[in-house]
Amino acid sequence: LAKTTQPISMDSYEGQEVNITCSHNNIATNDYITWYQQFPSQGPRFIIQGYKTKVTNEVASLFIPADRKSSTLSLPRVSLSDTAVYYCLVPNNNDMRFGAGTRLTVKP
Amino acid sequence: DAMVIQNPRYQVTQFGKPVTLSCSQTLNHNVMYWYQQKSSQAPKLLFHYYDKDFNNEADTPDNFQSRRPNTSFCFLDIRSPGLGDAAMYLCATSRDHGKGSSYEQYFGPGTRLTVT
Repeated sequence: LAKTTQPISMDSYEGQEVNITCSHNNIATNDYITWYQQFPSQGPRFIIQGYKTKVTNEVASLFIPADRKSSTLSLPRVSLSDTAVYYCLVPNNNDMRFGAGTRLTVKP
Repeated sequence: DAMVIQNPRYQVTQFGKPVTLSCSQTLNHNVMYWYQQKSSQAPKLLFHYYDKDFNNEADTPDNFQSRRPNTSFCFLDIRSPGLGDAAMYLCATSRDHGKGSSYEQYFGPGTRLTVT
């Protein structure tokens, strides 16, 4: 059973808001939810992290419902440079394995 | 700037010839990780060190070994590389590791390994 489930791919257009949802039904009580962005031939880069409710930083927002079994990464007004793979990572008792990720393509 | 450095960025080795990849960090983080990433796949955790404590993933082949001589450095040794070991190898660090801690990881740029 997969720990995290995300859509394999998403398309968007410049200037739109993009929401990527990750399911993590088996999240442990103390686990944080972390999202990473990865461009081709680069290491993943931290975007945002949260535990509950809503977190916002200069690049994204993270929405986490009360049951914490899912989370939604929100990217406001995407640009072409946001084309990348996005991973949500939920450790689940120290297990640091990445899920398959979502390949976001932003079109002009 | 504090960072995670991997050398070399590109490495070519021959089938069966041992190879070592290196990672260093200036973040003074307790935890260092090694991931393998093949084309169009997610990073796959091979092992990690919490300080000097080594933690191997159950499905990591014995062909892969690691050393962490001090806080700043960590090495990945591939004893007998096969064609299937060609991949990007990513090193990452985090301040802590354990239930309830923040798992934010800082990744290096990776070393792309080619096996001929």
